[in-house]
Amino acid sequence: DIQMTQSPSAMSASVGARVTITCRASQAISNKLVWFQQKPGTVPKRLIYGASTLQSGVPARFSGSGSGTEFTLTISSLQPEDFATYYCLQHSTYPRTFGQGTKVEIK
Amino acid sequence: QVQLVQSGAEVKKPGSSVKVSCKTSGGTFSSFSIAWVRQAPGQGLEWMGGIIPLFGRTNYAQKFHDRVTITADGSSSTAYMELRSLTSEDTAIYYCARDGVVYDYILDVWGQGTMVTVSS
Repeated sequence: DIQMTQSPSAMSASVGARVTITCRASQAISNKLVWFQQKPGTVPKRLIYGASTLQSGVPARFSGSGSGTEFTLTISSLQPEDFATYYCLQHSTYPRTFGQGTKVEIK
Repeated sequence: QVQLVQSGAEVKKPGSSVKVSCKTSGGTFSSFSIAWVRQAPGQGLEWMGGIIPLFGRTNYAQKFHDRVTITADGSSSTAYMELRSLTSEDTAIYYCARDGVVYDYILDVWGQGTMVTVSS
């Protein structure tokens, strides 16, 4: 199975800060990576697919990059509604696997 | 607009089984796959398996391979996930989500989740 490792596991940041979350795959997955946002008590929401394609309706402050084994999710200017847990998912091979999540908290 | 509607919450005894349904609407059931993902309380997302309804082909995470069966009924556009030999560690929210080969479909639409509680 492909292991997905996110870093950091948790972070605190201020409103307006630039935030970067990294996801590393244990083997190359091309651009077959998706990013999700999940707020407490809600269903996960897809933000980015194909490593860098913004989901329709998602604010442009979110962006994704990377290919192969290293990927990043960047929030250019953190907003109050962005405090949540973020997950990456690889869909290069079965079984699909998620990263362990990155919790973004208010500083 | 594709929608996925799951069956209601369940309370089960250890050792029993649970079967969760996921009814799709607003799309062509045969044009995508269905994935099942679970989330234990306070924990992360865990991919359990999926099915391609058109072919009935399934893929399972090794962790669940001997306890889970995912099926699909094209006549009702409904997918099912059955988990057997339940323990307290199976207490979680179970989600279905649209999946597929097409990038656009990779877990883009989710059901509302089904809480399964395993308790004696």
